[in-house]
Amino acid sequence: KQEVTQIPAALSVPEGENLVLNCSFTDSAIYNLQWFRQDPGKGLTSLLLIQSSQREQTSGRLNASLDKSSGRSTLYIAASQPGDSATYLCAVRGADKLIFGTGTRLQVFP
Amino acid sequence: DAGVIQSPRHEVTEMGQEVTLRCKPISGHDYLFWYRQTMMRGLELLIYFNNNVPIDDSGMPEDRFSAKMPNASFSTLKIQPSEPRDSAVYFCASSLLAGNTGELFFGEGSRLTVL
Repeated sequence: KQEVTQIPAALSVPEGENLVLNCSFTDSAIYNLQWFRQDPGKGLTSLLLIQSSQREQTSGRLNASLDKSSGRSTLYIAASQPGDSATYLCAVRGADKLIFGTGTRLQVFP
Repeated sequence: DAGVIQSPRHEVTEMGQEVTLRCKPISGHDYLFWYRQTMMRGLELLIYFNNNVPIDDSGMPEDRFSAKMPNASFSTLKIQPSEPRDSAVYFCASSLLAGNTGELFFGEGSRLTVL
């Protein structure tokens, strides 16, 4: 059974810092891995999608990497801003299902 | 495309009442998922459909929960009778596994409060 864990559970940093959020999964037989952002009381917004054959994806200040063999993914946020404050979730997709991690609650203060 | 559309956005009901949540997936997507989110358990997959057929409903907590997808553009999640512990945010999501990228798109969610 696939299990997805995210570390840290919460993070509070000053504006401008570069951040690394971690995601680990137990079953490397995945189709893809997706990072989401969730603002309080809102739905999930897709940030980056990495296919199993890819090593990384970039979008603006965000960079996500995938190491399938070790069951790990990282989300790198460059030059963090207060607007980045949200919960970040990673999710891995097997044959059909998308299993979510527990999330990292990020707060970036001015 | 308008994205995944869910209704109602908020529902407050009394214990024992029937609740029906609705979802319209993105046109052309062949997978539809229902998730439940609570503070205690995070995001839990309840059930998912492929081409309108339920594939895995092992996440449905009890027989009080049922889901249908009568056509490619509509799905419902029903709770009958509802209980206070069903209070949560229920999300619907859709994707196209083959071809595109399998990226999952979520609706805004239906916040259910059972008194």
